[in-house]
Amino acid sequence: GAGVSQSPRYKVTKRGQDVALRCDPISGHVSLYWYRQALGQGPEFLTYFNYEAQQDKSGLPNDRFSAERPEGSISTLTIQRTEQRDSAMYRCASMGLPGDTEAFFGQGTRLTVV
Amino acid sequence: GQQVMQIPQYQHVQEGEDFTTYCNSSTTLSNIQWYKQRPGGHPVFLIQLVKSGEVKKQKRLTFQFGEAKKNSSLHITATQTTDVGTYFCAGHEGQRIGTDKLIFGTGTRLQVFP
Repeated sequence: GAGVSQSPRYKVTKRGQDVALRCDPISGHVSLYWYRQALGQGPEFLTYFNYEAQQDKSGLPNDRFSAERPEGSISTLTIQRTEQRDSAMYRCASMGLPGDTEAFFGQGTRLTVV
Repeated sequence: GQQVMQIPQYQHVQEGEDFTTYCNSSTTLSNIQWYKQRPGGHPVFLIQLVKSGEVKKQKRLTFQFGEAKKNSSLHITATQTTDVGTYFCAGHEGQRIGTDKLIFGTGTRLQVFP
């Protein structure tokens, strides 16, 4: 596609429910990153992939968070048994090649856990 | 783990005044990137520096990468209201670009009064 697409744009869920956030990167981009951004703060690294391989998941807060990119394109970030503290903007970014010049960000998914 | 701090956290200036934000990493970076995020928007790439001591200019913006590759600065000359936003530095840890994750700084929010 023309840019990085994330869906849904907004998600309100009840505490304890599972949610799946989707990222469709720029076509052909090798690297895909997931970040979480609280209001007024910088993007906090969660995990990233090169092709379908998860390179680093050290930023995932706990084992309720997981991510996959099975075919090296679309990625899904899943949060199980959501808690109120999970409420944030979740951002996806893709790069043409690992460490390529720039990361292209999607519009983000605003998750609210009530 | 790696931490990237920026100062100041906020800066309010009168239009026409200069502005500088400083970025400091706890570890050596293979590169430094700068992004701008407008209110309600997503981070947008501005520039990348790779070499120790490198200086690059984009019109009124001057970017510098420190000799030790652990710090960087962004200077804006004669700010305009269009410069409003939050400026983030970001870098890959390690000796070679693309061998590690892209970590973002804490950001500096710039407000420009006309």
